[in-house]
Amino acid sequence: NAGVTQTPKFRILKIGQSMTLQCTQDMNHNYMYWYRQDPGMGLKLIYYSVGAGITDKGEVPNGYNVSRSTTEDFPLRLELAAPSQTSVYFCAGSRTDSNQPQHFGDGTRLSIL
Amino acid sequence: DQQVKQNSPSLSVQEGRISILNCDYTNSMFDYFLWYKKYPAEGPTFLISISSIKDKNEDGRFTVFLNKSAKHLSLHIVPSQPGDSAVYFCAASADNTDKLIFGTGTRLQVFP
Repeated sequence: NAGVTQTPKFRILKIGQSMTLQCTQDMNHNYMYWYRQDPGMGLKLIYYSVGAGITDKGEVPNGYNVSRSTTEDFPLRLELAAPSQTSVYFCAGSRTDSNQPQHFGDGTRLSIL
Repeated sequence: DQQVKQNSPSLSVQEGRISILNCDYTNSMFDYFLWYKKYPAEGPTFLISISSIKDKNEDGRFTVFLNKSAKHLSLHIVPSQPGDSAVYFCAASADNTDKLIFGTGTRLQVFP
């Protein structure tokens, strides 16, 4: 019973490099989300998806891209890493029914130097 | 513009006593509120929620109270246990959407 799985757990990038943060879920969640959490702050929504092939911007989408080719997977892409993107990234999923709680992965800690 | 505010960054409570964590919000369109608990190096875990049509929801040792007129909610944990030591996040959503707005969190420490 894996739930929401994020890989990698840690990564250090150089400025200008690109990478993809992986997120997969086995809970039949139609809705999936990417958040970032900066030190001492709450989680901020980057992108979300209400189903395969459908994505939309959240509160802080600049510098990121997402895709949702399957229900299970929701990767987050950083094309040109910047120091401001140093953060902890959380992926979450929830059921289609309204007011269902989101279930989170354990996060990816990303440092950009 | 912080729509969800947790003004106490930390709280320390003795084991067995009540812990009260507070949360204020500014957006009157919020209609669903949640509390999440987070341990270090783990993702947030859902704890309890409340719809705006209610003013109280209880689940075991955890109770959430909602005061819509004051735009305030609180989480009561009684009795507090050392395993409750974690960061607690309040979150809210509006208009039946699933986009959550999070507060900055309160770190609870329960000591023996």
